[in-house]
Amino acid sequence: KAGVTQTPRYLIKTRGQQVTLSCSPISGHRSVSWYQQTPGQGLQFLFEYFSETQRNKGNFPGRFSGRQFSNSRSEMNVSTLELGDSALYLCASSQDSTSTDTQYFGPGTRLTVL
Amino acid sequence: DQQVKQNSPSLSVQEGRISILNCDYTNSMFDYFLWYKKYPAEGPTFLISISSIKDKNEDGRFTVFLNKSAKHLSLHIVPSQPGDSAVYFCAAGRRDQGGKLIFGQGTELSVKP
Repeated sequence: KAGVTQTPRYLIKTRGQQVTLSCSPISGHRSVSWYQQTPGQGLQFLFEYFSETQRNKGNFPGRFSGRQFSNSRSEMNVSTLELGDSALYLCASSQDSTSTDTQYFGPGTRLTVL
Repeated sequence: DQQVKQNSPSLSVQEGRISILNCDYTNSMFDYFLWYKKYPAEGPTFLISISSIKDKNEDGRFTVFLNKSAKHLSLHIVPSQPGDSAVYFCAAGRRDQGGKLIFGQGTELSVKP
């Protein structure tokens, strides 16, 4: 099976712009979660989608949003970019939406905001 | 509010010796704990997990111990190998919160030949 894929792998934007990141889960997986990784902060949970519905949301401002399509592919959008949004954005997929279900991570999208 | 903490940013051990990585948590509602390993330029890879009803889980060279009263878990790697050099993240979840995982900040393990 192909693993989780994320596009693009690298992105450079300027403050005030918006960005859309894409995640294709492992075939058959219905849950997609997004995480932000910054130095010293570990991975911080953004949101989880399951069967096109947002199941959980982390403590991020409304500028961060996401969606999931019927084929389980997911996108996340960040509007009005700030310098602090520079980070590695990781998505993870799992078969179901449970904490005990192994989450498989993609390689991430490195976003740099100038 | 850091609910999951890894207080050691780095750890260096000799090949063949034991590596012990530690993790503390504050939320007693967590009922599932996991360890992930991450190499540069790759996403985290699942390593081992433990349910809150257990105090130990083994998988080959990897053993995770859970001390619920102390809200502490640890990952033991025996024997350590140079290929184990990576960043290790502990994570915690709640069955009533779906796939949401709370991660620690990570510990960078270096295994020297």
